Amino acid sequence: SQWGEENLQALSIQEGEDVTMNCSYKTYTTVVHWYRQDSGRGPALIILIRSNEREKRSGRLRATLDTSSQSSSLSITAAQCEDTAVYFCATDSGGNNKLTFGQGTVLSVIP
Amino acid sequence: GPKVLQIPSHQIIDMGQMVTLNCDPVSNHLYFYWYKQILGQQMEFLVNFYNGKVMEKSKLFKDQFSVERPDGSYFTLKIQPTALEDSAVYFCASSLDRGREEVFFGKGTRLTVV
Repeated sequence: SQWGEENLQALSIQEGEDVTMNCSYKTYTTVVHWYRQDSGRGPALIILIRSNEREKRSGRLRATLDTSSQSSSLSITAAQCEDTAVYFCATDSGGNNKLTFGQGTVLSVIP
Repeated sequence: GPKVLQIPSHQIIDMGQMVTLNCDPVSNHLYFYWYKQILGQQMEFLVNFYNGKVMEKSKLFKDQFSVERPDGSYFTLKIQPTALEDSAVYFCASSLDRGREEVFFGKGTRLTVV
């Protein structure tokens, strides 16, 4: 889980495994953004799921959104080494791209 | 894909001096943002900017901070004077529209105040 006072989360998995990262948020949001950030780079959007969507897929990525429990998840199927990055969820409660980011999950995919 | 460029990538400055961070947003974008990330922590919103005006700013956007985009050139964040706690990576971002749209981030400028 990415919210609250937790420190940066870290996950280490073997190549080929599936992984799910969770995010819970505190205030209403119209959209959940999932970003990945590679070392020395800015965040790059990988999936954007809107409040009227329960699930969204993009290649090996799958995001879910449960507005009733105010939580979202990002799953990666058959992880590859190039999936190694920090993954952030971000919410936009005001609908004006004032994003509130989670702490992030450091994902390491080991060959 | 669309790119947001930030110049410089790293800047070291003496406490109390002024610094200007430059951002070249995606060319047809209308909304611009600055975010601050302290090492090991999550990224935090500083300010958003549209049509020459600050729309919203957070409590992190101190009085010493200012933003502008004169004549459609660079979108800048100026800190005057700088303080030690301003050391962080500053990310510029832009979007075509507001809300529920993709926000494109630059690579960040690492500011070190000594």
